[in-house]
Amino acid sequence: DGGITQSPKYLFRKEGQNVTLSCEQNLNHDAMYWYRQDPGQGLRLIYYSQIVNDFQKGDIAEGYSVSREKKESFPLTVTSAQKNPTAFYLCASSDSAPISNEQFFGPGTRLTVL
Amino acid sequence: AQKITQTQPGMFVQEKEAVTLDCTYDTSDPSYGLFWYKQPSSGEMIFLIYQGSYDQQNATEGRYSLNFQKARKSANLVISASQLGDSAMYFCAMRESLYTGGFKTIFGAGTRLFVKA
Repeated sequence: DGGITQSPKYLFRKEGQNVTLSCEQNLNHDAMYWYRQDPGQGLRLIYYSQIVNDFQKGDIAEGYSVSREKKESFPLTVTSAQKNPTAFYLCASSDSAPISNEQFFGPGTRLTVL
Repeated sequence: AQKITQTQPGMFVQEKEAVTLDCTYDTSDPSYGLFWYKQPSSGEMIFLIYQGSYDQQNATEGRYSLNFQKARKSANLVISASQLGDSAMYFCAMRESLYTGGFKTIFGAGTRLFVKA
C-alpha cells in the first residue's frame, strides 16, 4: 500500500542530545514537509522540500535540520539547540502541482525530552 | 503574510444535527487553495475537502460542504447529520504558490468538535 511511514511512534530523549526522526514515502511525491504540533495547537511548518537535494526553512526552523538525498526520504534532526523540542511531529508529502493536491500525512512521532 | 484564523476553540453539536466550523484567511495571492483536515485523537491527519480560489461553486464531499465566501475571505466547513465519530480536531489550511514554483501550506489553530449522543 502507498503511504507515509514515520518512525519511531514515541521517542524519548535526554536534554542536550540530538535525535533524528524518520519519514519515508512511497507515493512518488516530489514535495515533503515537516510540521510541529504542540498540545491543542495547529501545525507549524519546520522545513519543506520541493525536490531532491533541495529544501527550505519554514516558520520555525531554528534548532532543526533536514536532508533530502532521496526522493522517498526526508529525515528531521532535532538538535540540542532546539529549546523546547517536546511535541508531536508530523511528516507530509504531496505532488508538486496542481495547487489542489492535498498533503498526505504520516502517523506522527511524539517526542518527549526528559 | 498569509494567515488562517479559526475562532472557535471548541464546539458542541447534537448527534444528527448540522454544525458549521468557521475559518477566515488572509492572502494577497489571487491563486490559492483551501483545505479542511480532521485529526482524531490518534493524531493522524485526514483530508476532508478542497476549495480552489477560482472555483465558482462550493465544494461538497459527502456530509462535508465548504461555504466559500471569497469577498469575506471565509471558508467555513459544514458537517451535516453529525455522527459520534465526527468528534475530533478540525483544521483549516491554505496552500499558496511560491515564487520558486512549489507550494506552501499553513494551518489554523483548529477547532475541537464534540458530538453529543
